[in-house]
Amino acid sequence: DAGITQSPRHKVTETGTPVTLRCHQTENHRYMYWYRQDPGHGLRLIHYSYGVKDTDKGEVSDGYSVSRSKTEDFLLTLESATSSQTSVYFCATDPGLAGQRTQYFGPGTRLLVL
Amino acid sequence: RKEVEQDPGPFNVPEGATVAFNCTYSNSASQSFFWYRQDCRKEPKLLMSVYSSGNEDGRFTAQLNRASQYISLLIRDSKLSDSATYLCVVNGRTSGTYKYIFGTGTRLKVLA
Repeated sequence: DAGITQSPRHKVTETGTPVTLRCHQTENHRYMYWYRQDPGHGLRLIHYSYGVKDTDKGEVSDGYSVSRSKTEDFLLTLESATSSQTSVYFCATDPGLAGQRTQYFGPGTRLLVL
Repeated sequence: RKEVEQDPGPFNVPEGATVAFNCTYSNSASQSFFWYRQDCRKEPKLLMSVYSSGNEDGRFTAQLNRASQYISLLIRDSKLSDSATYLCVVNGRTSGTYKYIFGTGTRLKVLA
């Protein structure tokens, strides 16, 4: 398994507060992704990165921003958390090599916004 | 229509049974296909990639039918430990971006 960690693993916060989730990988994978998982929706892409400082939006990016200043770290920020952002957040990485495209997931962060 | 569709189940089967899941996808330009396994409150883990010629890994067999745009997963001799949610994943280029699209998963319960 790819060495992917997420922090924090659990967080409770209040509406309107900023929240930053961290994803750290030790595999030197090029691509990194942030997903949220909610019942009935499966995994939905929030943002992804295809290299240091190169990021793009996914299908549910409103209310979220990301940054990638180093290959190993990908940060997800909720600028002003809302109750609709209560979810499980998964980070994933992909080596990005031709013929070896697949994703490896971190353990997830459970976020509750009150 | 969802881009990737799966029967949510649950499929309740006795130990030792054979069970099959299907998944359909809408983008005919999809390039790669996968089955992931997700245990309750855990992250998805890659079970197997799916190749055009079909592939087998122990008790698990995956098939791809590009003409009909579906993927299947067959589990033989089911074990209690196979109880999980199985996610179908499809990827390929959409509007110049390489994307992974996940199904919502099929839940399997193997009963003693």
